[in-house]
Amino acid sequence: DAGITQSPRHKVTETGTPVTLRCHQTENHRYMYWYRQDPGHGLRLIHYSYGVKDTDKGEVSDGYSVSRSKTEDFLLTLESATSSQTSVYFCAISEGLAGGNEQFFGPGTRLTVL
Amino acid sequence: AQSVTQLDSQVPVFEEAPVELRCNYSSSVSVYLFWYVQYPNQGLQLLLKYLSGSTLVKGINGFEAEFNKSQTSFHLRKPSVHISDTAEYFCAVKGGSEKLVFGKGTKLTVNP
Repeated sequence: DAGITQSPRHKVTETGTPVTLRCHQTENHRYMYWYRQDPGHGLRLIHYSYGVKDTDKGEVSDGYSVSRSKTEDFLLTLESATSSQTSVYFCAISEGLAGGNEQFFGPGTRLTVL
Repeated sequence: AQSVTQLDSQVPVFEEAPVELRCNYSSSVSVYLFWYVQYPNQGLQLLLKYLSGSTLVKGINGFEAEFNKSQTSFHLRKPSVHISDTAEYFCAVKGGSEKLVFGKGTKLTVNP
């Protein structure tokens, strides 16, 4: 299994509070991704990173920010959580973006915003 | 831009029966196609992928998929399913250096 961990694995928070989710990899892969999974929507890309300090927006980036200060860590921040951000969040990594580079997924973080 | 349509949101089957999970895609460029599986309360795991060459791709756990360019399809099949195949299956498409786009998933339930 690819060395990807996510923390916390579960979190319950209240509307309006800031939340940070962490993804940590031991594979030294260049690309890291944050997805959210919601019933009936599959996985949707929030943000991704193609190197330290290099990030870009995905399909559903509003309300989220990311940071990558080290190759191994990719942080997802909800500045002011809303109930619509209740979801399961997955981190993924890949060696590259081109061609058939496989993405490897972490175990997920279940976030509930009350 | 790429898009993926998984034609069935839920597929119930009996154990040892064959199954086909359907996936259609659209893309303006050559594509790479993937099937991922998600067991309950776990992350996604790659089942198989099509990059080029033979249109019949074999994956893990006895699954296979066939790339059909004219039909823009990449259906997943297994000749005989087990209870342990109960999971959600995601088809995904990638064009060149574009990002991976996922379908909405198909929940396969294998009943005894």
